[in-house]
Amino acid sequence: QSVLTQPPSVSAAPGQKVTISCSGSSSNIGSSDVSWYQQLPGTTPKLLIYDNIKRPSGIPDRFSASKSGASATLGITGLQTGDEADYYCGAWDNSLSVFVFGAGTTVTVL
Amino acid sequence: EVQLLESGGGLVQPGGSLRLSCAASGFTFSSYAMTWVRQAPGKGLEWVSVIHSGDSAASYADSVRGRFTISRDNSKNTVFLQMNSLRADDTALYYCVKILGYCRGGSCYFDYWGQGALVTVSS
Repeated sequence: QSVLTQPPSVSAAPGQKVTISCSGSSSNIGSSDVSWYQQLPGTTPKLLIYDNIKRPSGIPDRFSASKSGASATLGITGLQTGDEADYYCGAWDNSLSVFVFGAGTTVTVL
Repeated sequence: EVQLLESGGGLVQPGGSLRLSCAASGFTFSSYAMTWVRQAPGKGLEWVSVIHSGDSAASYADSVRGRFTISRDNSKNTVFLQMNSLRADDTALYYCVKILGYCRGGSCYFDYWGQGALVTVSS
């Protein structure tokens, strides 16, 4: 069972918006910065969001994120078939001195 | 261009050992923490271990603590993962990952990933 809680799956039609929640605790998300990773089918994970809200170079602004307290949210607008992937949140846990991932959320474009 | 090249994966019997290596290039290796993340077939990402820059302090997931040891050789730009007492549930693709940020300060991001080394534990 993952320390960070994500919904197993979300779906929406092309062009629509989806949001993925990531719930943790005061020892991880509540006191650390959150990152998000995209893993397209059969590929290596890619950093999508870091420092809670920042996008690395090359990541389109259709991807956005926020954090409030011990929870974080990833949003994808203008959904495309190429966005079908697994998405993971992650954060450092200051109490355990370990990194924790969510179990992952599969995004399906209907 | 950052490159991370893992090697050392393979088939091993339960109770056996393997040593993974990750050769890094394209950045100042000694200045960055490095980590290993694994993914069992059809499963999600599981963080395994981190080795920090500077003091080379290490941390481990509960599932591997006492069996795995992470180390680094800054002169060879290489990070290692020594895996002992391997179990069937250690079967996974092991990714070598460069860290952006300072984990112990709560800013820990995995910005470059290798292609992975497959470890299969089976009799």
